[in-house]
Amino acid sequence: KNQVEQSPQSLIILEGKNCTLQCNYTVSPFSNLRWYKQDTGRGPVSLTIMTFSENTKSNGRYTATLDADTKQSSLHITASQLSDSASYICVVSALGTYKYIFGTGTRLKVLA
Amino acid sequence: SQTIHQWPATLVQPVGSPLSLECTVEGTSNPNLYWYRQAAGRGLQLLFYSVGIGQISSEVPQNLSASRPQDRQFILSSKKLLLSDSGFYLCAWGDNEKLFFGSGTQLSVL
Repeated sequence: KNQVEQSPQSLIILEGKNCTLQCNYTVSPFSNLRWYKQDTGRGPVSLTIMTFSENTKSNGRYTATLDADTKQSSLHITASQLSDSASYICVVSALGTYKYIFGTGTRLKVLA
Repeated sequence: SQTIHQWPATLVQPVGSPLSLECTVEGTSNPNLYWYRQAAGRGLQLLFYSVGIGQISSEVPQNLSASRPQDRQFILSSKKLLLSDSGFYLCAWGDNEKLFFGSGTQLSVL
């Protein structure tokens, strides 16, 4: 069964600190993996998208990694800011389908 | 550039009333269109997707229906809302490279 699991479920860090969010998936055949940021009451906004051949992709203070062999991805946030407080969602798509498999997200709270 | 419009932003409806949520996409043609629902603190649940005009695939049996009367228009409807229909509804369009979401509609059924 195609699944995407994220950890931790929630995370609290102090402003300026780094953090890493995890995503494990069992989607096959793999097409691509995306990370989204979702503010409360808003639609998700894309941070990165990675295909099978990509190991790392950065978007400002966000760096995503992908290990297609172990089917794991991580999202690293550097020098966190209060505005990073949001839910971060990992989304995986399978080849040959129009569907996307969503993780349940990690709720990050950055404190001053 | 591509944009996606979804409205209304919030909606409060009594049980048994009808529902119509609309989503339109600009800047692309023949997009794959999606309706998702997100319960509070939960992940996104796919409700419907469409790969072309008049082509609707339903993922879960429920009180809702979807229609695509035009290439870039996707409508979510219900004839009679249930309390369990409350949630955050998101429209999205995508292809192999992109997946963009609308701003969402918070529906409260009372």
